[in-house]
Amino acid sequence: EAGVAQSPRYKIIEKRQSVAFWCNPISGHATLYWYQQILGQGPKLLIQFQNNGVVDDSQLPKDRFSAERLKGVDSTLKIQPAKLEDSAVYLCASSPGTSRRSYNEQFFGPGTRLTVL
Amino acid sequence: QQPVQSPQAVILREGEDAVINCSSSKALYSVHWYRQKHGEAPVFLMILLKGGEQKGHEKISASFNEKKQQSSLYLTASQLSYSGTYFCGTESNTGNQFYFGTGTSLTVIP
Repeated sequence: EAGVAQSPRYKIIEKRQSVAFWCNPISGHATLYWYQQILGQGPKLLIQFQNNGVVDDSQLPKDRFSAERLKGVDSTLKIQPAKLEDSAVYLCASSPGTSRRSYNEQFFGPGTRLTVL
Repeated sequence: QQPVQSPQAVILREGEDAVINCSSSKALYSVHWYRQKHGEAPVFLMILLKGGEQKGHEKISASFNEKKQQSSLYLTASQLSYSGTYFCGTESNTGNQFYFGTGTSLTVIP
């Protein structure tokens, strides 16, 4: 079974530039998550989709971050404009669960390491 | 709302046991445990649900004290491969947000 795919793996940009990350979850997984992991910290949930609807985006900085999941499969996370503090690894995860009250095992992709200069 | 883990770091010799604790300020519905090796993505270990249901991993077990809003991860007879950073993840009773904990770095030495 193919795992969660993410691209690019690495990205270096200057502050105020825009950047986009792509995620392809495991086939058939209804739930997709985007996390931000700053070095030395635990992953922070940015947004959770169930199929193509948003379940939780309470920690997403909506003035600069946006995400979409078209057709309930692939997803894109965008930052516009980027700030120095956005430097982090951006992890995508998927889960087969559809129940909003019971998080199932999450399968993580390899992540995208973003450096903002 | 981020759960707090203790200890922050621990060093073990092969074969020794370790306990990692996770404490939340919110009443919990579920606790998840993940291990992350350096430069890699987190890997699932365990889910504990309110009411006692548990989905586990061989040689690693966990407990969930709903009244105290705490969970503990037990690693017995540690192996070199156990090294990594362990994160708990929690979902509260009253909300849908999922929070990873502060992390515990575990190093197993020969």
